[in-house]
Amino acid sequence: NAGVMQNPRHLVRRRGQEARLRCSPMKGHSHVYWYRQLPEEGLKFMVYLQKENIIDESGMPKERFSAEFPKEGPSILRIQQVVRGDSAAYFCASSPSGHRTLKTQYFGPGTRLLVL
Amino acid sequence: SQQGEEDPQALSIQEGENATMNCSYKTSINNLQWYRQNSGRGLVHLILIRSNEREKHSGRLRVTLDTSKKSSSLLITASRAADTASYFCATGPGGVQGAQKLVFGQGTRLTINP
Repeated sequence: NAGVMQNPRHLVRRRGQEARLRCSPMKGHSHVYWYRQLPEEGLKFMVYLQKENIIDESGMPKERFSAEFPKEGPSILRIQQVVRGDSAAYFCASSPSGHRTLKTQYFGPGTRLLVL
Repeated sequence: SQQGEEDPQALSIQEGENATMNCSYKTSINNLQWYRQNSGRGLVHLILIRSNEREKHSGRLRVTLDTSKKSSSLLITASRAADTASYFCATGPGGVQGAQKLVFGQGTRLTINP
């Protein structure tokens, strides 16, 4: 059973370009979470999605960032017009459906975004 | 602001010794989880303790939770070089909607010296 898959593992973009980060949850998991980690810091929640629904996007910046989890295919975190401050590691996690309060989140290896 | 704060920020011990890391948080929680992160890698889930539990064991790991003090500790016994990593506590806040949003501390960087 493959774990959470993220690609690319490393992404380099110039200021003003778009970054697309993909996440495939573990088999059987229908809940996806995106977190951002700045150097030497802990992870910060960005968004929580279920298939075709954004459940909680309270951690998403108001502009340039968007996320989706379509019925088919991976979840996508999209950053438009990237700036140097977007450089960070972006982690995706997934969890199974079921009791809402006791689900362990399983993390992918992350995508390290560098904005030049 | 971050919910959890780990203490110490960095810890260096000799192989075979025990390592204790602490985590404090501010608001009510449903559960508290500990994760390990090796340098440049993703997070590995270690253990989850529910708000109505006081202590939990998993192999060489022992986690305690004191909800009255809003604190938790992670003890790694008989440390090994492979335990070198950053360790994060993450809280699942109380409330139905908030239960899904893990709030991470800054982490403790543990170094095990051979």
